[in-house]
Amino acid sequence: DIQMTQSPSSLSASVGDRVTITCQASQDINNFLNWYQQKPGKAPNLLIYDASNLQTGVPSRFSGSGSGTDFSFTISSLQPEDIATYYCQQNDNLPRTFGQGTKVEIK
Amino acid sequence: QVQLQESGPGLVKLSEALSLTCTVSGGSISDHYWSWIRQPPGKGLEWIGYIYYSGSTNYNPSLKSRVTISGDPSKNQLSLKLSSVTAADTAVYYCARGGRTFDYWGQGSLVTVSS
Repeated sequence: DIQMTQSPSSLSASVGDRVTITCQASQDINNFLNWYQQKPGKAPNLLIYDASNLQTGVPSRFSGSGSGTDFSFTISSLQPEDIATYYCQQNDNLPRTFGQGTKVEIK
Repeated sequence: QVQLQESGPGLVKLSEALSLTCTVSGGSISDHYWSWIRQPPGKGLEWIGYIYYSGSTNYNPSLKSRVTISGDPSKNQLSLKLSSVTAADTAVYYCARGGRTFDYWGQGSLVTVSS
């Protein structure tokens, strides 16, 4: 299985801050990397697919980049409604695997 | 708008089988891959497996010996069966559209394994 390692596991930032989360794959996954947002008690919501493509309807303050084994996810200006846990997921190989999640809080 | 709704018993006894149904509306299950994903309380996400309308399936090797995913196009429903459950199978179970990228999700169904 491909292991996905996210960093940090949690972070605290102020409204308006730029927030970046990284995700490292245990082997080359090309650009087959998705990002999801999960709010408490809710199902995950797809934000970014194939490393850098913004899902329809997702605000443009969210972005993703990277290829190979190293990826990043950025919120350009943190908003109160962005409080959630964010997960990366590789879709290159079976079984599909997720990172352990990054919990984002407001300082 | 595609909507998914999981249903099934919220409590399953140790060593018995867990069975869940996912009803899809706003689209046909025959047009896409569909996955089941689970999340133990307070923990991360684990992909269980997927099915394609042709009946083709693929399962996570960690669960493969105990999992069956099936589909009923006439009812536009998906089903998940997990046999011989243990406490480690206590989780919220989600159905989702897609085999690679999961763009629509159900609200999730909490299944607790009891002794």
